[in-house]
Amino acid sequence: AQTVTQSQPEMSVQEAETVTLSCTYDTSESDYYLFWYKQPPSRQMILVIRQEAYKQQNATENRFSVNFQKAAKSFSLKISDSQLGDAAMYFCAYNAGNTPLVFGKGTRLSVIA
Amino acid sequence: EAGVTQFPSHSVIEKGQTVTLRCDPISGHDNLYWYRRVMGKEIKFLLHFVKESKQDESGMPNNRFLAERTGGTYSTLKVQPAELEDSGVYFCASSRLTGGLNQETQYFGPGTRLLVL
Repeated sequence: AQTVTQSQPEMSVQEAETVTLSCTYDTSESDYYLFWYKQPPSRQMILVIRQEAYKQQNATENRFSVNFQKAAKSFSLKISDSQLGDAAMYFCAYNAGNTPLVFGKGTRLSVIA
Repeated sequence: EAGVTQFPSHSVIEKGQTVTLRCDPISGHDNLYWYRRVMGKEIKFLLHFVKESKQDESGMPNNRFLAERTGGTYSTLKVQPAELEDSGVYFCASSRLTGGLNQETQYFGPGTRLLVL
């Protein structure tokens, strides 16, 4: 069975600094997708970034980028120039295409002004 | 484009009562998923509809949970009778239907916070 592990229950970062959230996963599939979702307090969960496993290039979305290491089954999220609005619960997730997402337990990120 | 909506946002009920949660997916999204997050644990899959058909209900915890998606539009998830361990946040997500292994992004609703006393 596929599993996703987020080993950091909580993280904090100073405003304008960079932070990296860790995620590892386990799967026997060769084609799959990885996601980072963000859920701000009392607000809707939204997609931050996604990565197709067949792509070697790491995905980037403005200040958000990933370090995808397929052999190591690692998928970390880097947030650059952190802003107060980045404070949220971040979930790493996996699926193998039109299948349910498998989530990690989440990392709560605090941004310190 | 309207997002995924869920109703109610919160529900507090007593053990043994019945609660029905509703999810309205994004228009045109044939895939509809229900997930649940129990306090402090992972978000877990409950079931998956493709249009009005149940594609996968392997995550449903027991027969006290009944999900429907009549007409392939909105979906309801009924818990009857509710137990204390059913407390948590119930999320609904929807996505377009594509062929093969292509993955369309799942868009989430705000969730329904259920507390069973």
